[in-house]
Amino acid sequence: GNSVTQMEGPVTLSEEAFLTINCTYTATGYPSLFWYVQYPGEGLQLLLKATKADDKGSNKGFEATYRKETTSFHLEKGSVQVSDSAVYFCALINHASGGSYIPTFGRGTSLIVHP
Amino acid sequence: NAGVTQTPKFQVLKTGQSMTLQCAQDMNHEYMSWYRQDPGMGLRLIHYSVGAGITDQGEVPNGYNVSRSTTEDFPLRLLSAAPSQTSVYFCASRPLGQGEDQPQHFGDGTRLSIL
Repeated sequence: GNSVTQMEGPVTLSEEAFLTINCTYTATGYPSLFWYVQYPGEGLQLLLKATKADDKGSNKGFEATYRKETTSFHLEKGSVQVSDSAVYFCALINHASGGSYIPTFGRGTSLIVHP
Repeated sequence: NAGVTQTPKFQVLKTGQSMTLQCAQDMNHEYMSWYRQDPGMGLRLIHYSVGAGITDQGEVPNGYNVSRSTTEDFPLRLLSAAPSQTSVYFCASRPLGQGEDQPQHFGDGTRLSIL
């Protein structure tokens, strides 16, 4: 079946530091990959996505590249801000498997950015 | 542009009481789902639906009922609340038949406490 594994948090950084949150997946075929962000007290919202190998999704200074060879979709940002403090979820949708309309989520990684 | 609307935002119940969490979307999405979010557990799928009149169980369905009489609404019912159901509940929707790159849209959540 499908699965998504994220690095455990919390990740604690100082403002302007470089961010990497690791995400690896298991799936047959070529799933679509997503990063969602959840700010305190809110629901999840889409941050970026990629639909095929070597695609790079980007938004708000965040980037992630779909790496088929390493089955990874790591989230990066060159300079984090306090306002980036949130929980980040990696997810996939895989039409190659049964129940393909059901997204698979990682457990989430909490990011805390200090001034 | 309402998106996914959940009501109520907060609720406190006593053990054994029943209640319905409401979810409505105005995007004509076929797929709707309910998750619960608990510390350290990520998102866990409770029930989902791929259209009016069609529902199915997710990972943690016990203690919850759902129905889908219209495309727009997907209420979640707790028949006899238990303290283990204290959680934050999220409703989400996404379109089907438009490719697997369509993300889910989430509501802002219902924070439920069972005493």
